[in-house]
Amino acid sequence: GQNIDQPTEMTATEGAIVQINCTYQTSGFNGLFWYQQHAGEAPTFLSYNVLDGLEEKGRFSSFLSRSKGYSYLLLKELQMKDSASYLCAAKDSNYQLIWGAGTKLIIKP
Amino acid sequence: DVKVTQSSRYLVKRTGEKVFLECVQDMDHENMFWYRQDPGLGLRLIYFSYDVKMKEKGDIPEGYSVSREKKERFSLILESASTNQTSMYLCASSLGRDGYSGANVLTFGAGSRLTVL
Repeated sequence: GQNIDQPTEMTATEGAIVQINCTYQTSGFNGLFWYQQHAGEAPTFLSYNVLDGLEEKGRFSSFLSRSKGYSYLLLKELQMKDSASYLCAAKDSNYQLIWGAGTKLIIKP
Repeated sequence: DVKVTQSSRYLVKRTGEKVFLECVQDMDHENMFWYRQDPGLGLRLIYFSYDVKMKEKGDIPEGYSVSREKKERFSLILESASTNQTSMYLCASSLGRDGYSGANVLTFGAGSRLTVL
């Protein structure tokens, strides 16, 4: 079956760095997405990786290893507004998205 | 600013009632989707549409139907609401479904939280 695994909850300190991991098993692979969702709001797009390696966008970076079925989202210089859920989703061979349950990130002062 | 607008943020309905959830996008996107989001579960696809008057079943279509009469509007219908349909419903749209990264990013609405009593 198809599956996405990510931690349920993580806690980090303001100003620190946190890495949110995601492992996936899909029938075929057409890329991996990270979305951010603040409580009560719509998910918003953060990143898309289809090739191995690290993609950096300001304080946020996303890494992909296709051979390991693994991705991570790296958040640097954490701010209180980064408190949110982070959703990992992999696109399978039919271009359908398989979603993880999300990682709730709690930032403490 | 591009937008996906869901008509109702909060609804409370009784078991057996017919429920309409409306979604409108102003981005001229071809693809529209309805998901439900429940605690501890990933987003689950109910129905999607790649064109006007076209619909495809997602992973959990039972108990739901959809309508897409115009490109910008995609409606989710619960013919006879049941308590297990209490959930957050998210509508999303995207420009295209192929591998082009910029084309298949989903833009979500803010969600409609439905409670069925």
